[in-house]
Amino acid sequence: DTAVSQTPKYLVTQMGNDKSIKCEQNLGHDTMYWYKQDSKKFLKIMFSYNNKELIINETVPNRFSPKSPDKAHLNLHINSLELGDSAVYFCASSPLGTGRSTDTQYFGPGTRLTVL
Amino acid sequence: DQQVKQNSPSLSVQEGRISILNCDYTNSMFDYFLWYKKYPAEGPTFLISISSIKDKNEDGRFTVFLNKSAKHLSLHIVPSQPGDSAVYFCAANGGSEKLVFGKGMKLTVNP
Repeated sequence: DTAVSQTPKYLVTQMGNDKSIKCEQNLGHDTMYWYKQDSKKFLKIMFSYNNKELIINETVPNRFSPKSPDKAHLNLHINSLELGDSAVYFCASSPLGTGRSTDTQYFGPGTRLTVL
Repeated sequence: DQQVKQNSPSLSVQEGRISILNCDYTNSMFDYFLWYKKYPAEGPTFLISISSIKDKNEDGRFTVFLNKSAKHLSLHIVPSQPGDSAVYFCAANGGSEKLVFGKGMKLTVNP
């Protein structure tokens, strides 16, 4: 009964490949996020969706394309993978997406992507 | 451009003593602050938060202090327990959906 789940947990692939990471939340939240934690350990937001609509799109290469088939799922597709894409990617969700007091973000366990 | 800074990468304390984790921010638009805790191979989990209208928020062994004039907040854990050993992230929010995180600080509590 995991609240926010991600698959796969580990992903090793070659440069130039296309890969997807899936995220699902069973909390009934309206907002979902993708974060990237790079080698310097910073957690940086990439995208945010509210009820399947894109809300936040940080300066992310357009090789990264989020897709939300419904409000419980937010998948991340990455085209033409590069070495610099190696990182841990975290999915998260929150009830409203306001960032305010009770609107806590719940994180998935992360997907460690290694591009060779 | 680091808007949220956790300048000490690690802290080691003895069980039962106080742990103090510090965080500084540069953006004066931030008005809500959070601490997340992260164990290895898991995602961050929410620990405690504080609004800018307060200077202190307490939840059991965890207390967060906010000094707005200094743009500084700190997390106090008393008494520290071995299970508190984790990476702690400070995060800030300025009224949007976007949370800005620091790079984390590794706390080790020795038995």
